[in-house]
Amino acid sequence: AQKVTQAQTEISVVEKEDVTLDCVYETRDTTYYLFWYKQPPSGELVFLIRRNSFDEQNEISGRYSWNFQKSTSSFNFTITASQVVDSAVYFCALYTGGFKTIFGAGTRLFVKA
Amino acid sequence: DTAVSQTPKYLVTQMGNDKSIKCEQNLGHDTMYWYKQDSKKFLKIMFSYNNKELIINETVPNRFSPKSPDKAHLNLHINSLELGDSAVYFCASSQGPPSGGVSTGELFFGEGSRLTVL
Repeated sequence: AQKVTQAQTEISVVEKEDVTLDCVYETRDTTYYLFWYKQPPSGELVFLIRRNSFDEQNEISGRYSWNFQKSTSSFNFTITASQVVDSAVYFCALYTGGFKTIFGAGTRLFVKA
Repeated sequence: DTAVSQTPKYLVTQMGNDKSIKCEQNLGHDTMYWYKQDSKKFLKIMFSYNNKELIINETVPNRFSPKSPDKAHLNLHINSLELGDSAVYFCASSQGPPSGGVSTGELFFGEGSRLTVL
């Protein structure tokens, strides 16, 4: 069975704090892709990052960084020095082929000024 | 130019009515999807179409009928609307797998269509 778990339903931080959003996935496939999407209050879904199962290198993009660990089946997302504009719902997702992407339940992040 | 566009953006209707949502993508992708996002923000796949063929029907009631007239369009028709159908419906597209390969599965979403059934 394939599953994505985002255990944190809501997180609230004060601006400039660092915050980590957790994602744990389950799959028996050896080839798969992991994603993070952002859904700001305006409602659209914005692609942030894709990682394939063979590439465990961590990635940094500005204030965003991602930590992929196959040993713990986790793909965590860290925002450094959070800003109010980071307030959104963040979704972790898993794709193993078969034209079906499984999404986690989302983590709602509130960043207070 | 909007990559994935869906209309209408908002739809308010009475129970029992029939309504349609249209989706078009200009990315040249061969796979399109409908996702439903409920009030708790949970995103669930409803249908996948690859090259106009239905690939996935995720136990959706048959009141929902998708139609793909060509690879760039995927419409969703809903009959006999019920209160529980109120949600945001997202259309998405992706590039299917290359021959013998696996696609990356990256989804490009439309802006969503908020359906409210009264």
